[in-house]
Amino acid sequence: QVQLVESGGGVVQPGGSLRLSCAASGFTFSNYGMHWVRQAPDKGLEWLTFIAYDVGYIYSADSVKGRFTISRDNSKNTLYLQMNSLRPEDTAVYYCAKDLHGHGNFDYWGQGTLVTVSS
Amino acid sequence: EIVLTQSPGTLSLSPGERATLSCRASQSVSSTYLAWYQQKPGQPPRLLIYGASNRATGIPDRFSGTGSGTDFTLTISRLEPEDFAVYYCQQHGNSLYTFGQGTKLEIK
Repeated sequence: QVQLVESGGGVVQPGGSLRLSCAASGFTFSNYGMHWVRQAPDKGLEWLTFIAYDVGYIYSADSVKGRFTISRDNSKNTLYLQMNSLRPEDTAVYYCAKDLHGHGNFDYWGQGTLVTVSS
Repeated sequence: EIVLTQSPGTLSLSPGERATLSCRASQSVSSTYLAWYQQKPGQPPRLLIYGASNRATGIPDRFSGTGSGTDFTLTISRLEPEDFAVYYCQQHGNSLYTFGQGTKLEIK
């Protein structure tokens, strides 16, 4: 079965950096696009960024352009999110999600990893 | 950017009743790219409906999606206790992905 397991969250000071990882299993990772989505405490869902199966294209929300970078290593079945210049408003649970090919929706989600930006 | 507005914000119903949730887009959305998710506290979202009307794997047939253009609806025909949760619509267009703000379905 499809499994997505995020790691790398924690507490970081404003202006700091963090790299999240998402280990994928149960499907052919190299065939699918992947996303990062976040959810601030008691708030709704916010899509952040997408990477195509072959890294051919990357899309990002304006809120994270220039600060967050998505990448992937298909040989390791792993997705990454490099987060720089973190702000308190970046505090959220960060989910990786598998793209439902042809629909632009998210058919499988990880359990999420909590990032807290605070001094 | 396409903005999705969900209504109502909160819906109070009893088990066995019918639930109708609305998602309105600020401009036309391709049905192919419209989805609905369910989220329970402490859990990630779960895909319910994709392509506006297709049930995802394992989703009971009491869940159905309809709509086109700017107006989409999620209907739960007879509410079960486990259906009380927050529901989000989501669309993809112009290299962006957006969610509605959510509808909380609570027990009356």
